[in-house]
Amino acid sequence: DTAVSQTPKYLVTQMGNDKSIKCEQNLGHDTMYWYKQDSKKFLKIMFSYNNKELIINETVPNRFSPKSPDKAHLNLHINSLELGDSAVYFCASSHGRGHQPQHFGDGTRLSIL
Amino acid sequence: AQTVTQSQPEMSVQEAETVTLSCTYDTSESDYYLFWYKQPPSRQMILVIRQEAYKQQNATENRFSVNFQKAAKSFSLKISDSQLGDAAMYFCAYRSLNNDMRFGAGTRLTVKP
Repeated sequence: DTAVSQTPKYLVTQMGNDKSIKCEQNLGHDTMYWYKQDSKKFLKIMFSYNNKELIINETVPNRFSPKSPDKAHLNLHINSLELGDSAVYFCASSHGRGHQPQHFGDGTRLSIL
Repeated sequence: AQTVTQSQPEMSVQEAETVTLSCTYDTSESDYYLFWYKQPPSRQMILVIRQEAYKQQNATENRFSVNFQKAAKSFSLKISDSQLGDAAMYFCAYRSLNNDMRFGAGTRLTVKP
């Protein structure tokens, strides 16, 4: 019974393709996030959704489009993939308020050829 | 925007010894949350310890404790009786009340047998 699950775990694709990463949480949290971790391990927030509404949208190319069909899901769609998109993408969730920590998925390693 | 600085890219400790990882942050907010996460080679992000800024008492979780100095904006992690399984990347994180989460660049901890 995984708390935050991402699929796929690995994604290898060609430059220019469109791909999606799915994320689901079964913790009953109302806030979900996407992070990007680059090759130097730097972890940066990309998006945050609270009750299906976008609340944080960092400076991310508009090729990245998050979609939250319900509170338990936050998918990430990437158009026209570029070499610089190669990274590990983490989904996370938490309660919207309070000191509750974020729970992370296992990450999706995206490699662009 | 808040920034989190981890000034030690790498640290090493002898098994059973104690090590302290440094973290400082910059913010104009008076209320926020601080976290330490551990990322072993399996790349999972695992919560180690958390601290609410309004609490003066330092958080403790078994062998892990923090030294929270709010005025100095410092949040260091002390690991006592280090074990081989503690070897990992450690990330300090700042979370504001609007759920914006910022991570430091990480410290790679090596534990020597």
